[in-house]
Amino acid sequence: AQSVTQLGSHVSVSEGALVLLRCNYSSSVPPYLFWYVQYPNQGLQLLLKYTSAATLVKGINGFEAEFKKSETSFHLTKPSAHMSDAAEYFCAVSDRRGSQGNLIFGKGTKLSVKP
Amino acid sequence: ETGVTQSPTHLIKTRGQQVTLRCSSQSGHNTVSWYQQALGQGPQFIFQYYREEENGRGNFPPRFSGLQFPNYSSELNVNALELDDSALYLCASSLAGGPNQPQHFGDGTRLSIL
Repeated sequence: AQSVTQLGSHVSVSEGALVLLRCNYSSSVPPYLFWYVQYPNQGLQLLLKYTSAATLVKGINGFEAEFKKSETSFHLTKPSAHMSDAAEYFCAVSDRRGSQGNLIFGKGTKLSVKP
Repeated sequence: ETGVTQSPTHLIKTRGQQVTLRCSSQSGHNTVSWYQQALGQGPQFIFQYYREEENGRGNFPPRFSGLQFPNYSSELNVNALELDDSALYLCASSLAGGPNQPQHFGDGTRLSIL
């Protein structure tokens, strides 16, 4: 069965510092992986997706993630944090209970950015 | 391009009541999935609709049911509401094409059970 583990429920960085949000997955089949961001009182916005085309995936707002099969990881990074990056971030793996694919989410990591 | 819209945005019900939540999918998307997000948790898959039929289901009891209409919009119905049903309910739409298709989410309906 597919699953996702996000290490660290809360990460705090200073503005301009590197952002690193960790995600490890478990999947019995080659995974499709996604990162979503959720701002307060809003739904989820897709940041980026891995679908086996390239191991380094670039997304919106300067974020990128690297798929490492040997480590079963898909960590999210951004070189320089902005105040506007403060939000909750969810890593997800595609499941196949829905024939068109459904998502299994981690518990989320709340990112705080200090001025 | 119109995104995913959900209504209502907030709802308060009491235990034992029934509720219907509505979702309009993004233009051109024919698959709708529903998720429940409890406070402080990640979303959990409830079920998916494709071609007006339920197409996969998570670990939710039968009192959670749904519909999809010919225009791809969808409803989530919950009967015999329980306190634990208090959550943010998210609708996501996608193109049929398999599990590599990204899902696009609405802003959700916040359901509170008293």
